[in-house]
Amino acid sequence: EVQLVESGGGVVRPGGSLRLSCAASGFTFDDYGMSWVRQAPGKGLEWVSGINWNGGSTGYADSVKGRFTISRDNAKNSLYLQMNSLRAEDTALYHCARIPTKKGGYSSGWFFDPWGQGTLVTVSS
Amino acid sequence: DIQMTQSPSSLSASVGDRVTITCRASQSISSYLNWYQQKPGKAPKLLIYAASSLQSGVPSRFSGSGSGTDFTLTISSLQPEDFATYYCQQSYSTPQITFGQGTRLEIK
Repeated sequence: EVQLVESGGGVVRPGGSLRLSCAASGFTFDDYGMSWVRQAPGKGLEWVSGINWNGGSTGYADSVKGRFTISRDNAKNSLYLQMNSLRAEDTALYHCARIPTKKGGYSSGWFFDPWGQGTLVTVSS
Repeated sequence: DIQMTQSPSSLSASVGDRVTITCRASQSISSYLNWYQQKPGKAPKLLIYAASSLQSGVPSRFSGSGSGTDFTLTISSLQPEDFATYYCQQSYSTPQITFGQGTRLEIK
C-alpha cells in the first residue's frame, strides 16, 4: 500500500523557519516526482512546490519562491520542504503528494496521487 | 499565471441526481486538466486526469470532458458518499500549477 506520512509541522513565529518531511513507502520512490500542496484553514488547495525524480527539476509557487526549498533523499525515501522567512499567510495544512507520471517530468504535466494526510504549520506571534 | 474558475461555488443536490461542475481556464490548457474530491478532514483524492481519464478505483458514475478552456465534471447519479468539495487543477503550465477555488456539493 502506498503511504505518505508528513511530519515537522508546528507553531513558529513570523520570520522563523521550519523543515517538513514526508516519509514514503509502498512504491519505488525514485520512480516518481513529488510535490507539496497546502490548504489554509477553511480555504482551498494551493500548490506550493514540486520536484522530479532525482531533484534535477523543481518548481515553486510565486508566493513561496525564494523562501522555501524542496529537496529529496531517495536513499531514505523522503521528501523535504525547508521553509524560511515564514509569514502568517503560510499558516496551513501541508500535504505531500506523489506525481504519478514517469519520473515526474514536466512534459506529462504534474498532477497528484495519492496525498498524505498533512502536517499543520501555524505561523503566529 | 493561468487562472482556474469553477462554477458553481456551491451546489445542493439530492441522491440520484445528475450533477455537473464546470471549470474554466484563463487560457487554453489543451487537456491538461485534473479533478479531485475532498471530504471534510480528509486528504484530496484524484478522480479524473487528462480531462477525461478515470483514475483507477474511481466509480464509473464520475466522468470528465472538455478541452481548451472549458471543462466539466459530471456525476451521473449522486450517491451519499459523493457529497464533498471538488477541485479542478491545471497541469499545462507545469511546473506552475493552479487549482480552482473549489465547488462544495451539499445534500438538498
